[in-house]
Amino acid sequence: KNQVEQSPQSLIILEGKNCTLQCNYTVSPFSNLRWYKQDTGRGPVSLTIMTFSENTKSNRRYTATLDADTKQSSLHITASQLSDSASYICVVSAGYQKVTFGTGTKLQVIP
Amino acid sequence: DTAVSQTPKYLVTQMGNDKSIKCEQNLGHDTMYWYKQDSKKFLKIMFSYNNKELIINETVPNRFSPKSPDKAHLNLHINSLELGDSAVYFCASSQGRSGMAFFGQGTRLTVV
Repeated sequence: KNQVEQSPQSLIILEGKNCTLQCNYTVSPFSNLRWYKQDTGRGPVSLTIMTFSENTKSNRRYTATLDADTKQSSLHITASQLSDSASYICVVSAGYQKVTFGTGTKLQVIP
Repeated sequence: DTAVSQTPKYLVTQMGNDKSIKCEQNLGHDTMYWYKQDSKKFLKIMFSYNNKELIINETVPNRFSPKSPDKAHLNLHINSLELGDSAVYFCASSQGRSGMAFFGQGTRLTVV
């Protein structure tokens, strides 16, 4: 069964600190992995897309890593800001039709 | 300048009614999607539509029917609404099936 598990479920960090969110998946065959940021009451916004051959991708203060062998991905946020408070969702695609969403990590950045 | 817009933003309706949610994208994308996000914030893809090819998620009841009059629009029609249909529905679009998806703001559907 295709599954995407994210950890931690929730996280509180001080503004300016770094943090890392984890995503483990059992989706097969692997097509791509995406990280989304979803602010409360808004639609998800894409942060990164990674395919099998990519193991690091950055988008401003967000850096995603992918280890296709261990089926793990991480999202590292550098120098967090209050506006980073949101849910971060890992999504793994197996081909076109099978898209599996993780349950997300709720991040709260406090001053 | 909204890239993906959905209407209405909120929809409250009684069980058994039929309702539609509209979605339009002005990004020139060729692929559009409908997602459902339940109370636990878990997102599930419902449909994707690429150049007149409709991909149906088998877990979606046939009371849900997408309609795409053209590449820029993908509307969602729901018949005989049930309490369990209450959720936030997101429309999204992308260029190609593997492109980065852009989401709308969501439609919060409440069935009473």
